[in-house]
Amino acid sequence: EVQLMESGGALVQPGGSLRLSCAASGFTFGSYWMTWVRQAPGKGLEWVANIKQGGSETYYVDSVKGRFTISRDNAKKSLFLQMNSLRAEDTAVYYCATGYYHYDNWGQGTLVTVSS
Amino acid sequence: DIQLTQSPSSVSASVGDRVTITCRASRVITSWLAWYQQKPGKAPKLLIYGISSLQSGVPSRFSGSGSGTDFTLTISSLQPEDFATYYCQQANSFLSFGGGTKVDVK
Repeated sequence: EVQLMESGGALVQPGGSLRLSCAASGFTFGSYWMTWVRQAPGKGLEWVANIKQGGSETYYVDSVKGRFTISRDNAKKSLFLQMNSLRAEDTAVYYCATGYYHYDNWGQGTLVTVSS
Repeated sequence: DIQLTQSPSSVSASVGDRVTITCRASRVITSWLAWYQQKPGKAPKLLIYGISSLQSGVPSRFSGSGSGTDFTLTISSLQPEDFATYYCQQANSFLSFGGGTKVDVK
């Protein structure tokens, strides 16, 4: 059974940093593109970033470019999202998901709240 | 980037109704259009990918169609477990989601 488990969400002050993790199991992690999608409270879904199987290619939504970094450790079957210079508008539930063209497996999400 | 506009933003329906949700793209999408269902407090669930391919395990009352810039998700006979919010998503040019359509009880 495919399982994705996010962690690392917390309350952080504006300008602060946070590192999210996503632990994967039940599938060949290194064979899949991986993606972060977020959802602000009461709002819709927003693609944030994705990373190719070997980590050689990464892509970001414009609003996080230069502030967020997606990475992965295939040996540990883990996906990461380093978030710096956090803003109030980054407040959201962050989901990790498998895939590039569509996302067939999702974690349960981790809540990031940016507030003073 | 491609913008996706869903309509309606909400629809009230009854069990057994046929429900149609539209997703209009700002530019032509050739094949990478997917649909998701999300219930409150839960992660989204993939229903349809590649415009019309049904994800494994998804009931056949869900179907997707369309081409060019106009796409449709149809629920042929609404069931109690189908009350949820639905999102379209494209991967033709970067990645983006539609704003969502909430299906609630009439």
